[in-house]
Amino acid sequence: AQKVTQAQTEISVVEKEDVTLDCVYETRDTTYYLFWYKQPPSGELVFLIRRNSFDEQNEISGRYSWNFQKSTSSFNFTITASQVVDSAVYFCALSGGKTSYDKVIFGPGTSLSVIP
Amino acid sequence: DAGVIQSPRHEVTEMGQEVTLRCKPISGHNSLFWYRQTMMRGLELLIYFNNNVPIDDSGMPEDRFSAKMPNASFSTLKIQPSEPRDSAVYFCASSRRDRRTGELFFGEGSRLTVL
Repeated sequence: AQKVTQAQTEISVVEKEDVTLDCVYETRDTTYYLFWYKQPPSGELVFLIRRNSFDEQNEISGRYSWNFQKSTSSFNFTITASQVVDSAVYFCALSGGKTSYDKVIFGPGTSLSVIP
Repeated sequence: DAGVIQSPRHEVTEMGQEVTLRCKPISGHNSLFWYRQTMMRGLELLIYFNNNVPIDDSGMPEDRFSAKMPNASFSTLKIQPSEPRDSAVYFCASSRRDRRTGELFFGEGSRLTVL
């Protein structure tokens, strides 16, 4: 069975601080995909990144960076120099398997509050 | 290009009434997903379609829920009869399956309140 765990339910940081959101996943598949989505207070879900299981290179996009480690089944997300606009719920998600690679399972989410 | 379009955005109904939620996926996308979001259970996948065919409906809570996709540009999620515990935000999402699990594009959601 596939599972995504985001142990941090809520995080508060002061603006300009760095913050890391943790994601741990479980899967028996050798090929799988990992995602991060953002849900701002307005409610829509916004895609941030996709990673496949064969690509363990870290990725940086502006103030966002992702650390994928297969050895610990983790796909953590770091926001550098956080801003108030980063306040949102962030979801880590997983899909994979020969017959179910379309099925995207979401973690419970981490609510991030950035305080001015 | 238009994104995923869902209607209605908000629905308030009384227990026992039938509810129909509608979704128009992005043109050219051949996978469609229905998710439900609640505080208690988070984002749950209810059902998804590939090329208008239901592939996995194991997340559908019970027989009161049904989903159809009569063509590539329209899907419905029906609840009959509705119950207060069905109150949630229902999201529709679409993707291009030929990109091998591309990102999901979500609609703005339909907020359902069952009194």
